[in-house]
Amino acid sequence: QKEVEQDPGPLSVPEGAIVSLNCTYSNSAFQYFMWYRQYSRKGPELLMYTYSSGNKEDGRFTAQVDKSSKYISLFIRDSQPSDSATYLCAMTVGDYKLSFGAGTTVTVRA
Amino acid sequence: ETGVTQTPRHLVMGMTNKKSLKCEQHLGHNAMYWYKQSAKKPLELMFVYSLEERVENNSVPSRFSPECPNSSHLFLHLHTLQPEDSALYLCASSQDMYGYTFGSGTRLTVV
Repeated sequence: QKEVEQDPGPLSVPEGAIVSLNCTYSNSAFQYFMWYRQYSRKGPELLMYTYSSGNKEDGRFTAQVDKSSKYISLFIRDSQPSDSATYLCAMTVGDYKLSFGAGTTVTVRA
Repeated sequence: ETGVTQTPRHLVMGMTNKKSLKCEQHLGHNAMYWYKQSAKKPLELMFVYSLEERVENNSVPSRFSPECPNSSHLFLHLHTLQPEDSALYLCASSQDMYGYTFGSGTRLTVV
């Protein structure tokens, strides 16, 4: 069993739709949860991070963590073509080592 | 380019060549990392340097050899690579566990 599972997609949505991304994990010791966005031919950039369970909102982006289900989600409201990228979830127990999902490729059609 | 700079951006090398990847961070971070990114697979942690000391070597073959001469620079020396080593090699730096800043990567092709 992989430590972090993420559906690779691809996911294609029309402009303005809500994009829903998620990851599941097996290590109950994970405490910090992150979402990275990676554009083509670029390195990943940190989009959002959350600590423990709960929701966090930043503009059009909402990150949710459900530790009881070992499930995290990222929602993108009012999606734009500029949101087309690969989204990577990542998590850590609290040290330097991050465990990543394989990434979900999202295309927002104009 | 600010943040984390990687050179070269693209590299094609034969299996008998020796080459080096370079990473430089301008953020004052105290930890640097090498990751391998292959298609449809999670990022694989290769090496971690904290305060210029290697703290992790994640079962990486000896044909990959890291070097961290100071807190701002990180190298990955490559020799006698295999075609399956073709991938995007990403350098990152951090000051805390969720503050990774990645470079744009080196796209390596082994022929």
